[in-house]
Amino acid sequence: AAGVIQSPRHLIKEKRETATLKCYPIPRHDTVYWYQQGPGQDPQFLISFYEKMQSDKGSIPDRFSAQQFSDYHSELNMSSLELGDSALYFCASSPQGAWGANYGYTFGSGTRLTVV
Amino acid sequence: AQSVTQLDSHVSVSEGTPVLLRCNYSSSYSPSLFWYVQHPNKGLQLLLKYTSAATLVKGINGFEAEFKKSETSFHLTKPSAHMSDAAEYFCVVSDPGETRQLTFGSGTQLTVLP
Repeated sequence: AAGVIQSPRHLIKEKRETATLKCYPIPRHDTVYWYQQGPGQDPQFLISFYEKMQSDKGSIPDRFSAQQFSDYHSELNMSSLELGDSALYFCASSPQGAWGANYGYTFGSGTRLTVV
Repeated sequence: AQSVTQLDSHVSVSEGTPVLLRCNYSSSYSPSLFWYVQHPNKGLQLLLKYTSAATLVKGINGFEAEFKKSETSFHLTKPSAHMSDAAEYFCVVSDPGETRQLTFGSGTQLTVLP
């Protein structure tokens, strides 16, 4: 079965550079969530999209932005990277609607970003 | 506001013995609750979910969890641990509102001893 695809799997960037992470949700899933997991930390919610509109915003820095495209894939853009941005970035998708929460969320394998 | 407390940051069991990972939640609404597992350098895998149906939920790999509203608990159990169960386990509550944002517990690292 198709899963949530994230690319790249690994990314190394220098301080002050920019990075773009991509997420391709499961087919027919129209809701995408981004989470950041720092070393030894639990995942923290960054931002979510439903039908190409931002639906909720968590602890996402102003240096980060994201969008969802017409094919429902999403991109997380990160600028002026800092050492503290080094983390595992997860994308999850779910179908929206009243039963969306009942369905559960399928996570991708994550993108490991290392800022040096 | 909702929150999740995983009562043990580390649990160590011997192979073949029972596993108990404890989770308490706080939510103003009827919550949806999940357990996810994360193996080293891997993504998050859904073990099981509670969504206001049966209070005893069976998941993959022999895991199950019981939702106890009176105790606001959702403990994860397995009768017999296997070496491959060694991983980090997260108890998660879902915001029942429109956003359905997930709130993660701090995780429990399960070690299985031979």
